[in-house]
Amino acid sequence: GAGVSQSPSNKVTEKGKDVELRCDPISGHTALYWYRQSLGQGLEFLIYFQGNSAPDKSGLPSDRFSAERTGGSVSTLTIQRTQQEDSAVYLCASSLGTSGNTIYFGEGSWLTVV
Amino acid sequence: GQNIDQPTEMTATEGAIVQINCTYQTSGFNGLFWYQQHAGEAPTFLSYNVLDGLEEKGRFSSFLSRSKGYSYLLLKELQMKDSASYLCAAPHFGNEKLTFGTGTRLTIIP
Repeated sequence: GAGVSQSPSNKVTEKGKDVELRCDPISGHTALYWYRQSLGQGLEFLIYFQGNSAPDKSGLPSDRFSAERTGGSVSTLTIQRTQQEDSAVYLCASSLGTSGNTIYFGEGSWLTVV
Repeated sequence: GQNIDQPTEMTATEGAIVQINCTYQTSGFNGLFWYQQHAGEAPTFLSYNVLDGLEEKGRFSSFLSRSKGYSYLLLKELQMKDSASYLCAAPHFGNEKLTFGTGTRLTIIP
């Protein structure tokens, strides 16, 4: 596609429910990233994929968070048993996959846990 | 280490020049990116420096000194629309991970 596409753009969920966030990267981009940004804060790295494998999962905050990528394209970030502190915007980005390549961001999925 | 530091907030006057600094620990990083982020929007790419020196792109310029672990973003002829957060970010050698600083919130006043 023309840009990184994320869905849903907004999600309000009750504490304890599971949520799934989807990211469709730019066509041909092998690297895909998930970041989290809380209100007024910087970008917190969660995980990145090179193809379908995740060389670096170091940023996932807890075992409630997981992500997968299939077919070297679409990725889903799943948050189980959501907590209020999970409220943030979840940003997906993609790049051509070589160190130093520009990373392009999607518009983000705004998650509110009530 | 992988710390990336930049000032939290800055204010500048419309039409003036402002320099936003970013320092980082040099080991393991391959150059430096600058992104702009308006409130409620996704970050957008501004520049990438992989070699030392100044790169100019219209009203925006970015400088890098790899030996000092130092970069700055220079904005000239400031406009009200330049009010945004400016994020520096460093890619890691050997992989594609990009680590961001906390961002500098720039406010332009008339």
